[in-house]
Amino acid sequence: DAGVIQSPRHEVTEMGQEVTLRCKPISGHNSLFWYRQTMMRGLELLIYFNNNVPIDDSGMPEDRFSAKMPNASFSTLKIQPSEPRDSAVYFCASSLDPRVGYTFGSGTRLTVV
Amino acid sequence: EDQVTQSPEALRLQEGESSSLNCSYTVSGLRGLFWYRQDPGKGPEFLFTLYSAGEEKEKERLKATLTKKESFLHITAPKPEDSATYLCAVLLLRNTDKLIFGTGTRLQVFP
Repeated sequence: DAGVIQSPRHEVTEMGQEVTLRCKPISGHNSLFWYRQTMMRGLELLIYFNNNVPIDDSGMPEDRFSAKMPNASFSTLKIQPSEPRDSAVYFCASSLDPRVGYTFGSGTRLTVV
Repeated sequence: EDQVTQSPEALRLQEGESSSLNCSYTVSGLRGLFWYRQDPGKGPEFLFTLYSAGEEKEKERLKATLTKKESFLHITAPKPEDSATYLCAVLLLRNTDKLIFGTGTRLQVFP
């Protein structure tokens, strides 16, 4: 099992540019979560999907952020336009049963200059 | 408001010096409490889930316990390879699958 796969591992972009982060969950897992981690605020949930359907997007900061899950094996998190305050590590996680925990990917470190 | 608070923020131990990390929570209802380990540059790695007060789980030098208000992660005779950030998270009783994380305890174990 390759685990949760995120790409790219690092992204440096200029303010105002569009950024797309990608995630491939573990095969068979039906829940997918996008988290953002910063030193100040720790891990914060942005959005999660159940069976490809967005369930809770209350953590999405503003309209500049959007997430999609077109099928069970792929999800994207898009920021348009990006701002320096979006700089953080973005994690994707998947789960078959949240009561027994999630499996996290290795994250994407985003730097907006 | 549902909250998870971890203490201390950072902990420095000598190899072999046992200690405990604390996770206190204020939630409307608890479905489970989770401990994760995070190494630099990596995603959190699952350690334990605890479901009810009085429950204990062990793995190598780590032991997690749960009461109605807090959880402890006890580290017995730690080694340098136990150095990491330890994260606590709660899964709420109400109809949601999201984990609410604390900000973590950064543990350094020196030889």
